[in-house]
Amino acid sequence: GAGVSQSPSNKVTEKGKDVELRCDPISGHTALYWYRQRLGQGLEFLIYFQGNSAPDKSGLPSDRFSAERTGESVSTLTIQRTQQEDSAVYLCASSLVPRQGRNSPLHFGNGTRLTVT
Amino acid sequence: GQNIDQPTEMTATEGAIVQINCTYQTSGFNGLFWYQQHAGEAPTFLSYNVLDGLEEKGRFSSFLSRSKGYSYLLLKELQMKDSASYLCAVSNYTGGGNKLTFGTGTQLKVEL
Repeated sequence: GAGVSQSPSNKVTEKGKDVELRCDPISGHTALYWYRQRLGQGLEFLIYFQGNSAPDKSGLPSDRFSAERTGESVSTLTIQRTQQEDSAVYLCASSLVPRQGRNSPLHFGNGTRLTVT
Repeated sequence: GQNIDQPTEMTATEGAIVQINCTYQTSGFNGLFWYQQHAGEAPTFLSYNVLDGLEEKGRFSSFLSRSKGYSYLLLKELQMKDSASYLCAVSNYTGGGNKLTFGTGTQLKVEL
């Protein structure tokens, strides 16, 4: 079956412009995660969705970042007024619903490489 | 918050065994994952531990001690293709939400 799909794979934008990144999770995966990975660094948690709601938005770096999810499926991450420090790979992952004492591995998409010039 | 520590880099010889350690501090612990990430690629799942002990999967094994906040990933019969970054990730479950926090990764280099 299809894995997690992200689009676009690469995005170059000018400083100050808005960008929208899209993630199509694996069908049936109710949990969806966004991470950011700067060059040579680890994965930075941004936001987590359970269904269409986001219990944890603590990782969003600023109010320029927002995310939504509809139909327990597609999610979009929007970055407004992009800055050069936003340049990174944005990774989306999905999993079956986790429970206390029972977890499910995250399946990652190939990411969107964002370059802000 | 959560604190996850793992070595930045390790080097090992082809055919050898290497152990990558991870220590963590968290509340609401709901398991620990190990992922492999090759340069320019997405992370791929290797193993998951939620109870104490050793989980074995072919050449890869992972160990967890919850009381010590400690895990390790053991790679046997190393191959050149095992050169990659190995990410320790801790799952934290808090009333309806599950958050997976990653360490900064251990870059493993396998040499001839």
